Amino acid sequence: EVKLVESGGGLVQPGGSLRLSCAASGFPFSKYEMNWIRQTPGKGLQWVAYSSPTGGTIYYADSVKGRFSISRDNDKQSLSLQMNSLRPEDAGVYYCMGRGYDRSGYFDSWGQGIRVTVSS
Amino acid sequence: DIQLTQSPSSLSASIGDSLTITCRASQMIDFYLNWYLQKPGEAPKLLIYAASRLQSGVPSRFSGGGSGTDFSLTISGLQADDFGVYFCQQIHTISALTFGGGTKVEIK
Repeated sequence: EVKLVESGGGLVQPGGSLRLSCAASGFPFSKYEMNWIRQTPGKGLQWVAYSSPTGGTIYYADSVKGRFSISRDNDKQSLSLQMNSLRPEDAGVYYCMGRGYDRSGYFDSWGQGIRVTVSS
Repeated sequence: DIQLTQSPSSLSASIGDSLTITCRASQMIDFYLNWYLQKPGEAPKLLIYAASRLQSGVPSRFSGGGSGTDFSLTISGLQADDFGVYFCQQIHTISALTFGGGTKVEIK
């Protein structure tokens, strides 16, 4: 069974840091692109960060560039998001999401989401 | 970034109805568009990829069309389990994935 399980969310003060993790299982993690996506009532679904299958190519949304860092460990089948200098507008539910084309068509899988609250 | 505009933002329909949701991109994205359904408290679930390809396991009452800037998702014969929020997503520019604002579908 394909599974993505996020952890590490919670309440943090503005300016603080948080590290999200995503544990993958049931699929060849190292073959797929991975993304962090967040969802808020005000802005809907927002893409946050991208990692190529090897981790050699990384992209960030302008709103988090310089503050967030995405990384992956293909041996441990895990994805991380280090979030620094957090702002109230970074609050929301964060999803890790894997995608890509394979022999059977298109692979797309999301975790259950983890809530991040930024408040004093 | 590529903006995706969905319409309508919400609708109410009866079981058995057919309905169409549209998604317009701010620039040409070929066929690089996906459709998702999100139910309360759950992650989005992929329905259609590459504008018109049905994801494995998704009922055939869902269909997608379009290319370039104008896309549509049609549900032929609405079922009770089809309520939720539908989102389009462009994957033309992987360095800046974007989503539409969503269409909330309620069952009358």
